[in-house]
Amino acid sequence: DAGVTQSPTHLIKTRGQHVTLRCSPISGHKSVSWYQQVLGQGPQFIFQYYEKEERGRGNFPDRFSARQFPNYSSELNVNALLLGDSALYLCASSLVLGPTGNQPQHFGDGTRLSIL
Amino acid sequence: DQQVKQNSPSLSVQEGRISILNCDYTNSMFDYFLWYKKYPAEGPTFLISISSIKDKNEDGRFTVFLNKSAKHLSLHIVPSQPGDSAVYFCAAISGNTPLVFGKGTRLSVIA
Repeated sequence: DAGVTQSPTHLIKTRGQHVTLRCSPISGHKSVSWYQQVLGQGPQFIFQYYEKEERGRGNFPDRFSARQFPNYSSELNVNALLLGDSALYLCASSLVLGPTGNQPQHFGDGTRLSIL
Repeated sequence: DQQVKQNSPSLSVQEGRISILNCDYTNSMFDYFLWYKKYPAEGPTFLISISSIKDKNEDGRFTVFLNKSAKHLSLHIVPSQPGDSAVYFCAAISGNTPLVFGKGTRLSVIA
């Protein structure tokens, strides 16, 4: 069975540009979450979607937006890129809303975004 | 304010010995704790979890211990193997809230 897939794997952008990252959850999973992992830190929560509705948002500026499609795949959009947006962006899916202890989130391998 | 803390950035252990990774938390509302393992160029992989109503959970070579009064949990790996070398993240959740991660501990198992 395919796991969580993310595209692209690597991306280089310049300041001020816009980027779209994509995520396909595990088949049957209806919840998708996005995390940002900066070097030396743990993943930080950005967004959570369940059944195509936003169910949670982390402490990120409005330049960050996301959506979930009818097939449960998701996009993360970041506008007006800053150098500090350079990070690994992780997508995670789970069967139910939010992770639980016995229904943990499953992560993709991430998109490495570099801002020049 | 960091709610989940992993105070040891790195740990080196000899193959066959026990690895103990520690994690402290501040939010008493957390009701589940999870450990994830991350290899370079891969996403985090779920390893083991423990409910806040338990004090121990075991899965093969991996055991997680929870001390609620001390707000402390630990992951024991016995015996440690070279393939266990990775970054280990402690994470916690409360209800349907998203995962809150620590900064991670890099484990190196030396053959």
